[in-house]
Amino acid sequence: SQTIHQWPATLVQPVGSPLSLECTVEGTSNPNLYWYRQAAGRGLQLLFYSVGIGQISSEVPQNLSASRPQDRQFILSSKKLLLSDSGFYLCAWDRGNGELFFGEGSRLTVL
Amino acid sequence: AQSVTQPDIHITVSEGASLELRCNYSYGATPYLFWYVQSPGQGLQLLLKYFSGDTLVQGIKGFEAEFKRSQSSFNLRKPSVHWSDAAEYFCAVGRTGNQFYFGTGTSLTVIP
Repeated sequence: SQTIHQWPATLVQPVGSPLSLECTVEGTSNPNLYWYRQAAGRGLQLLFYSVGIGQISSEVPQNLSASRPQDRQFILSSKKLLLSDSGFYLCAWDRGNGELFFGEGSRLTVL
Repeated sequence: AQSVTQPDIHITVSEGASLELRCNYSYGATPYLFWYVQSPGQGLQLLLKYFSGDTLVQGIKGFEAEFKRSQSSFNLRKPSVHWSDAAEYFCAVGRTGNQFYFGTGTSLTVIP
């Protein structure tokens, strides 16, 4: 079966520390992958999307970066976190029929 | 530019009453349209989608939505709301292989 996993589920980090959120898809190959951020009252903001290994498109210039080292792995990173990076981060996979299938989410709190 | 507008930030309805959540979009090409639901602290689940054809689409949990091209709208409806429908609802537009854009969401409260 096809699944998508994110970890960690919850993360509390100090300002200025690095970040790495990982997303892995199973049961499919060459998926289109997305990172969204959900801040309170602001809906879902598209951060990055990838159509293949090493292919990353950035929607919004910011303190974050993304990488896709393997076909089914999508990583969201930061070298130095800001307070404004706090939020709920969602990884999603486009099944190819236009439907996005979301992971469970990673809640990041920057103190 | 592509965008999705959900004008209602929060809606409260009584259990058993009808529901309509509004969604307007702006998209350069013929869009795919979606409604997702999110329970607190969870990811999003697809309720229904429109690609082409019949403009009234049926989804899970008794929801339906109607695509109106002339109004650039894709409103979500349910004839009788259940307490378990309380959640955040997101309208989205996009196409496979491209970006998907979401509205800011509508929070639904159901009162007994």
